[in-house]
Amino acid sequence: QKEVEQNSGPLSVPEGAIASLNCTYSDRGSQSFFWYRQYSGKSPELIMFIYSNGDKEDGRFTAQLNKASQYVSLLIRDSQPSDSATYLCAAPGAGTALIFGKGTTLSVSS
Amino acid sequence: EAGVTQFPSHSVIEKGQTVTLRCDPISGHDNLYWYRRVMGKEIKFLLHFVKESKQDESGMPNNRFLAERTGGTYSTLKVQPAELEDSGVYFCASSRDIANYGYTFGSGTRLTVV
Repeated sequence: QKEVEQNSGPLSVPEGAIASLNCTYSDRGSQSFFWYRQYSGKSPELIMFIYSNGDKEDGRFTAQLNKASQYVSLLIRDSQPSDSATYLCAAPGAGTALIFGKGTTLSVSS
Repeated sequence: EAGVTQFPSHSVIEKGQTVTLRCDPISGHDNLYWYRRVMGKEIKFLLHFVKESKQDESGMPNNRFLAERTGGTYSTLKVQPAELEDSGVYFCASSRDIANYGYTFGSGTRLTVV
């Protein structure tokens, strides 16, 4: 049974700080990983994906993948109150499904 | 383009009743997915349509759940009869390509069975 694990939080950071969200996965064969952001009562929204070991940057967001350690992270630089949301890590499962972690709730205080 | 539309947004029904959830994907998206989030748990896959065909229904919990996508456009998910453990948020998502996991989600239907 493939699993994706996240610390549910809440993770609290002050405005302007770096928020670090972490995810581990059980399937060593997983090749791609996705980060979704979900505001309360809204739909999940894809914000980053990463396929290769190392870092991938997009604006204030950086995804990091370490396949040897089976570890994926999402860094948010210069955190803003509008970044307060639940962040979901996901990886492909069997067939065409995505396997999600439970999500980490981020709270950015102004 | 219009997003993925789901309705109703909320539904409260009694145990044993029937409920039908509807999803309208983005126009032109052949791939349609249903997911469910039960309170305190992660979002879990239910099934995947490619056009009107069920590509993968391995996540459907039992035969009380019936999904259809007639004509390859909108989809319905019927729960009959509903049980208490069916409560949760049911998400629909769609994508143009089967290999594209960055699908667009709808805002979900919150189902409460009492």
